[in-house]
Formats: sequence, structure tokens, C-alpha cells
Amino acid sequence: GAGVSQTPSNKVTEKGKYVELRCDPISGHTALYWYRQSLGQGPEFLIYFQGTGAADDSGLPNDRFFAVRPEGSVSTLKIQRTERGDSAVYLCASSPPSGRAPNEQFFGPGTRLTVL
Amino acid sequence: GESVGLHLPTLSVQEGDNSIINCAYSNSASDYFIWYKQESGKGPQFIIDIRSNMDKRQGQRVTVLLNKTVKHLSLQIAATQPGDSAVYFCAENRNSGNTPLVFGKGTRLSVIA
Repeated sequence: GAGVSQTPSNKVTEKGKYVELRCDPISGHTALYWYRQSLGQGPEFLIYFQGTGAADDSGLPNDRFFAVRPEGSVSTLKIQRTERGDSAVYLCASSPPSGRAPNEQFFGPGTRLTVL
Repeated sequence: GESVGLHLPTLSVQEGDNSIINCAYSNSASDYFIWYKQESGKGPQFIIDIRSNMDKRQGQRVTVLLNKTVKHLSLQIAATQPGDSAVYFCAENRNSGNTPLVFGKGTRLSVIA
């Protein structure tokens, strides 16, 4: 079956603009995670969803970042008033329902965001 | 694609030799650990996992060792192949169930043919 997909694969924007990054998780996976990976670093947690609700958003750096998952499947990460420091690869992961290898997270290819 | 981990520690290994990649974790309460492989321009790919009630787990050509006393994790790759060249990350999960992973610093493995 299909893995986690993310669109776009690359996004170049100008400082101050608004961007949306999309994640399609593996079908049937109830948990969805967003991470951010800067050059030379490991992924850093941003937010995760159980179903439609954000179970933990403690990793969001500030209120310019927001994410939704209105139907419990596709998720959108939204960044307002982008800054050059937001440039990174944004990774999405999903995992099966609790009780079925719950901790194994399957990652998408990421969206590389560049803020000029 | 963009290269991941330009400033990461690098391990260079001859093709056919065994590789050992080490990782120190920080939280003694972590109960689940995963090794991921990340190739340039791609997302992390699951390799092998281990729970805190075990100290060793084997997969195909890979073995993970967990030493909870010193909070150390290692990944052993047998008969390293050129396709194993990538950046490797360990990750820990600090609660049971579906919760975020905390990734360690990566190590770049370079296989010399």
C-alpha cells in the first residue's frame, strides 16, 4: 500500500508570506506527527494528532505555526508570516492505532521549505 | 536532493566489514527505542526497534543493543554494503503508546567499496 505522502516536495517562499504543507498518512493510521528537521540535525517534534484532535502541540515554536486534521486523515501544517529561520525540511509521520505496534512511526519524504 | 547531516560525525567502513553506530539517550524513563536510516532527500526509514525490557534484538543484518545502566544504544550492521550509506538516527519514546519520538544526533555512515 501507499506510504505517507507529503506535498509539495519543495516550497520556496518570501519572508512574511503564508504557507501550507500537506500530509497524507497511511490509511488506517490514527496518529499523525509533524517534525521539523534543520540541516545537520535530527527531526524535532512539532505537534501530533490522535484522530482529529491535537494531542500534544508543545513542540510548535510560536503562534505563527498551526496544524489541523479536520477529518482524522489528511493534515495541514500552516505557517504564517514566514521567517528565514523557518527554512527546514518538514516531516510528517503516522502510526497505527494503539495496540498494534503503536510506537512505530512511518515517515513521509518531507517538504523542504525555503524562506528567502 | 539536499544532503542531510553535513556536520554530523562520520563513520567510514570498508564494504563487507561490520559497522557499529552508537547513541546515548538522556531519559531513563524512556521505554522504547528505534533506529532510523535517512538517505539524502528522503524521510527517515525504520530499521529496528527495541523495548526497555530487552537488551538485544536482531533483525536481518542488524542488531540493536540496549544498555539501560549507562543509557546507551548501539546499532550493529553486519557485512556492510554500499546501500547502507546514509545518516542513522536513534530515537527514544518517553511514554507508552502513540507519543512523539525524541531523536538523537545522527551519524553518517560512509561505506567504502
